[in-house]
Amino acid sequence: NAGVTQTPKFRVLKTGQSMTLLCAQDMNHEYMYWYRQDPGMGLRLIHYSVGEGTTAKGEVPDGYNVSRLKKQNFLLGLESAAPSQTSVYFCASSLLAGAQETQYFGPGTRLLVL
Amino acid sequence: AQSVTQPDIHITVSEGASLELRCNYSYGATPYLFWYVQSPGQGLQLLLKYFSGDTLVQGIKGFEAEFKRSQSSFNLRKPSVHWSDAAEYFCAVGGISNDYKLSFGAGTTVTVRA
Repeated sequence: NAGVTQTPKFRVLKTGQSMTLLCAQDMNHEYMYWYRQDPGMGLRLIHYSVGEGTTAKGEVPDGYNVSRLKKQNFLLGLESAAPSQTSVYFCASSLLAGAQETQYFGPGTRLLVL
Repeated sequence: AQSVTQPDIHITVSEGASLELRCNYSYGATPYLFWYVQSPGQGLQLLLKYFSGDTLVQGIKGFEAEFKRSQSSFNLRKPSVHWSDAAEYFCAVGGISNDYKLSFGAGTTVTVRA
């Protein structure tokens, strides 16, 4: 049982390049989330999904797209990377909705956009 | 809108001493409150959560937190810190009025000196 895994762990991009971050969970969780973590700002929600085939915008969705084609995977895409997207990205999942539901986090992906 | 303030950016504490991390929240209804810990290079791990009942909540690793509605606070405490408690700690708030999405504070970094 690996929990939540993220691929890749680290990536360097040039401005304008595209990439996809992969999040996978093996806990059969319905909800999945993408956050970004920036110094002094905590975690901010980018997009989330309440189930396979569904996605919704979070607090800072601009410049990102997501897809949830399979229940266990949640992909975060950057179509044209910008230096402002340099950050650490965390994926999380929870069994159900409800604030009492614990979110389980992956180890993070560190992205540097030059 | 919901929000979380962690007034202390960085705290240094001696091993064996007590620790208290402050968290103040803003939320229009009954809040659900969480404390997460992030060790260097790792994802976030849930320490404890509150959503109803006893206002003193026990968590993992010897941590506890007290919910004080009158002060809009949810401070985290540990009676005697260990060197392994050096990490970044995040307070988060969520609830039914925001579709259970969490808002995180900016975090408090704890350094433990021998």
